[in-house]
Amino acid sequence: SQTIHQWPATLVQPVGSPLSLECTVEGTSNPNLYWYRQAAGRGLQLLFYSVGIGQISSEVPQNLSASRPQDRQFILSSKKLLLSDSGFYLCAWSVEQGSINQPQHFGDGTRLSIL
Amino acid sequence: AQSVAQPEDQVNVAEGNPLTVKCTYSVSGNPYLFWYVQYPNRGLQFLLKYITGDNLVKGSYGFEAEFNKSQTSFHLKKPSALVSDSALYFCAVRASNDYKLSFGAGTTVTVRA
Repeated sequence: SQTIHQWPATLVQPVGSPLSLECTVEGTSNPNLYWYRQAAGRGLQLLFYSVGIGQISSEVPQNLSASRPQDRQFILSSKKLLLSDSGFYLCAWSVEQGSINQPQHFGDGTRLSIL
Repeated sequence: AQSVAQPEDQVNVAEGNPLTVKCTYSVSGNPYLFWYVQYPNRGLQFLLKYITGDNLVKGSYGFEAEFNKSQTSFHLKKPSALVSDSALYFCAVRASNDYKLSFGAGTTVTVRA
């Protein structure tokens, strides 16, 4: 069966520090991968999505970047965190492009607090 | 552009009573519709989906949803709510030619004992 892992579960970082959040998927090949941010336990904002290694699409211009160095690895990064980067970050995967009637499956998220 | 509206921020019901969480959508072409549930400090869990076919779809944990094309709605229902159903529920839509999901703002369900 497929599983998705995110770490760390919680993170407290000072303003201006760098960020690296990691997400890995097991049990599937060539998944679509997504990063979302959820503010205040409400709606989800799509940040980035990827349909393959090295292929990243950005949905919202911001202080963050994403990379996909391996097929099942998706990394969210920042060089200098802002207070507004605080939130709950969720990674998700879905079956490869072409099967758009399939749901996305989410990891358990990383709660990021910026001080 | 596609969008989802969940008109109720909160729904409160007594245990054993029917539960309904409302969702309306806007999308070009045929919609792909999904319901997710989120418990505190956890990711979203997939409950059910409508792609085509029977308008009444059944999902996990006794939940079902009814697709109504004329009203562009996809309401989530459960005949008899449990206290453990208390959570945040999200409706989502995808156009048939787009793999990006658009989520509603979520509805907090509280089931009292």
